[in-house]
Amino acid sequence: QSALTQPPSVSGSPGQSVTISCTETSSDIGSYNRVSWYQQPPGTAPKLIIYEVSNRPSGVPDRFSGSKSGNTASLTISGLQAEDEADYYCSLYTSSSTWVFGGGTKLTVL
Amino acid sequence: EVQLVQSGAEVKKPGESLKISCRGSGYSFTSYWIAWVRQMPGKGLEWMGFIYPGDSDTRYSPSFQGQVTISADKSISTAYLQWSSLKASDTAMYYCARRMAGYYSFDYWGQGTLVTVSS
Repeated sequence: QSALTQPPSVSGSPGQSVTISCTETSSDIGSYNRVSWYQQPPGTAPKLIIYEVSNRPSGVPDRFSGSKSGNTASLTISGLQAEDEADYYCSLYTSSSTWVFGGGTKLTVL
Repeated sequence: EVQLVQSGAEVKKPGESLKISCRGSGYSFTSYWIAWVRQMPGKGLEWMGFIYPGDSDTRYSPSFQGQVTISADKSISTAYLQWSSLKASDTAMYYCARRMAGYYSFDYWGQGTLVTVSS
């Protein structure tokens, strides 16, 4: 069964860029574009910010971008702002027809 | 405006049953899968399963199969998550979320229902 590994935490100063990785143990990320990213500020519900590896839903700033290379997907946030401080989760629809989430990464804006 | 509105927080004792709800509005409820996602205190997100309200087709994560029941009443645009016998380990925030049409993502989320199971 697929598992997604994210770093527990990342940090950056306002205006800087940060990248959060999401590495899969099998090969579903590399084989398909079924990766999404969600932002969850403290005490709120998750919000979709990237779908199909690199697409942004309407209303999501273009400071958020997604990519993948091999079995690793990445979320990059450029021009960091204080309101970006949140937990970020990657998600993958697997070849077993289930969804799996990464463990989450806490972004701290210094 | 698409909205998913969940029922309120619950406090239950071990062994009790519970059914929580998620009402959709602002879109065709029968045309989108609704998923349930668990978030235990201080932990990450876990996909539990989902239902297609149009025909009640339901799929479960192997981790939750047999532990919960997902259902829907399309006449009132509401999906449900229920337990027949709660355990302390069921204490968590539960979110419903709509699967994005044609994609493998969840584009709208409910506000969450906090379930606390304690003797």
